[in-house]
Amino acid sequence: KQEVTQIPAALSVPEGENLVLNCSFTDSAIYNLQWFRQDPGKGLTSLLLIQSSQREQTSGRLNASLDKSSGRSTLYIAASQPGDSATYLCAVVQGGSEKLVFGKGTKLTVNP
Amino acid sequence: DTAVSQTPKYLVTQMGNDKSIKCEQNLGHDTMYWYKQDSKKFLKIMFSYNNKELIINETVPNRFSPKSPDKAHLNLHINSLELGDSAVYFCASSRAGGNYGYTFGSGTRLTVV
Repeated sequence: KQEVTQIPAALSVPEGENLVLNCSFTDSAIYNLQWFRQDPGKGLTSLLLIQSSQREQTSGRLNASLDKSSGRSTLYIAASQPGDSATYLCAVVQGGSEKLVFGKGTKLTVNP
Repeated sequence: DTAVSQTPKYLVTQMGNDKSIKCEQNLGHDTMYWYKQDSKKFLKIMFSYNNKELIINETVPNRFSPKSPDKAHLNLHINSLELGDSAVYFCASSRAGGNYGYTFGSGTRLTVV
């Protein structure tokens, strides 16, 4: 059974810092990994999608890496801003299914 | 031009009632899903339909019944609502095959009193 773990559960940083969010998964047989952002009381916004054959994806100040063999992904946020404050969710699509399995998220607070 | 839209956004109802949540996607995706986010914010899949056919049915009480009239719509009907059903329910869609990203709706916050 696929399990996704995100560390840390919460993170508070001053504005301008570069930061890394971690995600690990127990079964490396995945189709892809997706990072989402969820603002309080809101839905999920897709940030980055990494296919199993890819090593990383970039979008603006965000960079996500994937090491499928070790079951790890990181989300790097450069020059953090207060508007980045949200919960960041990592999820994998399990190979052989179309089921997206989520971690419990990292709650990020960027202080002005 | 909302890609995945759910209605209603909020739903407050009494125990024992029956209620439905509707979901529509205009992305042309083949597969649609229902996810439940509990009070601890953990998201877990409930159901998945591919082109109107049920393909994933997690361990969910029989009181929950999804219905897909066409591949652009997936509704969730809940009978005999219980306090423990209070949660946020998210609809999502993707292209078939598991190799594509998911798009989520904005969620329906269900409160059972």
